[in-house]
Amino acid sequence: RKEVEQDPGPFNVPEGATVAFNCTYSNSASQSFFWYRQDCRKEPKLLMSVYSSGNEDGRFTAQLNRASQYISLLIRDSKLSDSATYLCVVNIVEGTYKYIFGTGTRLKVLA
Amino acid sequence: DVKVTQSSRYLVKRTGEKVFLECVQDMDHENMFWYRQDPGLGLRLIYFSYDVKMKEKGDIPEGYSVSREKKERFSLILESASTNQTSMYLCASSFPPDSYGYTFGSGTRLTVV
Repeated sequence: RKEVEQDPGPFNVPEGATVAFNCTYSNSASQSFFWYRQDCRKEPKLLMSVYSSGNEDGRFTAQLNRASQYISLLIRDSKLSDSATYLCVVNIVEGTYKYIFGTGTRLKVLA
Repeated sequence: DVKVTQSSRYLVKRTGEKVFLECVQDMDHENMFWYRQDPGLGLRLIYFSYDVKMKEKGDIPEGYSVSREKKERFSLILESASTNQTSMYLCASSFPPDSYGYTFGSGTRLTVV
């Protein structure tokens, strides 16, 4: 089983739609969680950290469910510019800190 | 803003060549990392460093080495390039304890022919 799993998609949604992605992780010692956004042929960029209480940044909401070991990202009122691959990242401590990246979920927002 | 600069955006090298990929960050970050990214496999950690002259193997270090002589610079070396090392290479840096995420460079797309 992969340490971090994501549905690769693509998720094709119309502009204005609400879309949600989930990401599951296998290591219960995971401490920090992030969503990164990666545009085609570009580097990943930090979108938002995911806090235990859940957090919101504009149209984006991130949630953490430690009991079920998953994190989620909700995008409301999708824009064409939201089209990208969204990477789930989990930080675990195994002697040293280690980031585990999911392979990403591809989102296409259609006009 | 933290800036992580990779020396080349695109690189084409021949099999057997020694290849140097350079990465420089300008925010005094202790931690630096080298990843490669391949379709369907995601980002895989090659090497990382938490301090000058310090290096640790990641998940796929075979065929690679690194050098960190100065805090701001972390070099990835392909001792003898092979075609299976054709990939996108991404450098990242962070401030410990990595709670704030990584900043990535723009990547080097290496093709080995």
